[in-house]
Amino acid sequence: EAEVAQSPRYKITEKSQAVAFWCDPISGHATLYWYRQILGQGPELLVQFQDESVVDDSQLPKDRFSAERLKGVDSTLKIQPAELGDSAMYLCASSRGTGSPYEQYFGPGTRLTVT
Amino acid sequence: QQQVKQSPQSLIVQKGGISIINCAYENTAFDYFPWYQQFPGKGPALLIAIRPDVSEKKEGRFTISFNKSAKQFSLHIMDSQPGDSATYFCAASSRNNAGNMLTFGGGTRLMVKP
Repeated sequence: EAEVAQSPRYKITEKSQAVAFWCDPISGHATLYWYRQILGQGPELLVQFQDESVVDDSQLPKDRFSAERLKGVDSTLKIQPAELGDSAMYLCASSRGTGSPYEQYFGPGTRLTVT
Repeated sequence: QQQVKQSPQSLIVQKGGISIINCAYENTAFDYFPWYQQFPGKGPALLIAIRPDVSEKKEGRFTISFNKSAKQFSLHIMDSQPGDSATYFCAASSRNNAGNMLTFGGGTRLMVKP
């Protein structure tokens, strides 16, 4: 069964450093999402891609966060500089975007700890 | 702005019992309501989903009940098992240019006691 891949699984970084997370969606899925999940809360959408284009990044803190999906396949989410409040699980999800557009499949996430 | 409210925050049920989790939404543009199950250290996994044109959907031991007029929906887990112990999230979806965006509830941590 195809899965969404994410790396690294865990990341510890110091405040003010740069961090990057990688996501490889399920093959053929045109839509890719990045979510942030604070411990004990539900995931919150940061950015959504359709192929290589950003569809929605209204909740992305653009002063420090950036996301790209250059070839419309895998994606990178970057934080620079990291702040203590960025400690969370960063989840990537993908969906076909057409046909059954509502079914989002999540990866295992990257647990970020900022010290 | 919490558009999907979920309750209870935590739930303890005996093995074989019924687990019930409730959600309420505000945005009438929502047109798809999935439930996700999340185990510690894992990403959420789609469990079951419903559209507002039906009032109930059942898959095995899991049932969604949907009340469009009240803008509420709930998850029932029949014959709850210790392996069901996890955090459950309701969500609501509205269409955008690329398909949909999910708004999640705050989650319910379920513990099923043997």
